[in-house]
Amino acid sequence: GAVVSQHPSWVICKSGTSVKIECRSLDFQATTMFWYRQFPKQSLMLMATSNEGSKATYEQGVEKDKFLINHASLTLSTLTVTSAHPEDSSFYICSARRPDSLEAFFGQGTRLTVV
Amino acid sequence: KNEVEQSPQNLTAQEGEFITINCSYSVGISALHWLQQHPGGGIVSLFMLSSGKKKHGRLIATINIQEKHSSLHITASHPRDSAVYICAVRSYQETSGSRLTFGEGTQLTVNP
Repeated sequence: GAVVSQHPSWVICKSGTSVKIECRSLDFQATTMFWYRQFPKQSLMLMATSNEGSKATYEQGVEKDKFLINHASLTLSTLTVTSAHPEDSSFYICSARRPDSLEAFFGQGTRLTVV
Repeated sequence: KNEVEQSPQNLTAQEGEFITINCSYSVGISALHWLQQHPGGGIVSLFMLSSGKKKHGRLIATINIQEKHSSLHITASHPRDSAVYICAVRSYQETSGSRLTFGEGTQLTVNP
């Protein structure tokens, strides 16, 4: 099956610094990738849809300047959390699907802790 | 009311028991996904279905489109089945295109 790889799996950073999370589709080209955020005991919430070669589409309430998304190639999307604050601590997970399929493939997720 | 509702929220079973997790949704969908999330957080797609029934090993998923309801069954449950099971529906929205909406998940614990 298709594989989506996310890196890093966990990261601890200081307040005010920026953190970049990578999401790669390993065996298919993904024109669209999705970034989700999950707080403990809660469901996944879509943050933004990453479109290759164009601007990401952000969900209502998600700050574009804080959560920078770049989808520079058909196999890589990155999420950068800028000027991180403790309240940004969460589990971030990406997903992608083949252009010709409705099936979703998820990365391993990244647990971000801001201290 | 959430667009996707799961029940129960928590489920504890003894090894070997038959498990059922339910999912109801209120929107028109193109597909429904059952996902498994382990304690580390990684998510595995178990099933994607748009009608009828699918089976994979000890797992069975059914969907009734008219009733907007799906069930995930686990036969002969095992402690390694302990995880959060998430129902997600794929629907099309004019403003944002195709997207997944997730239920809040069912925490399953299977005791030996």
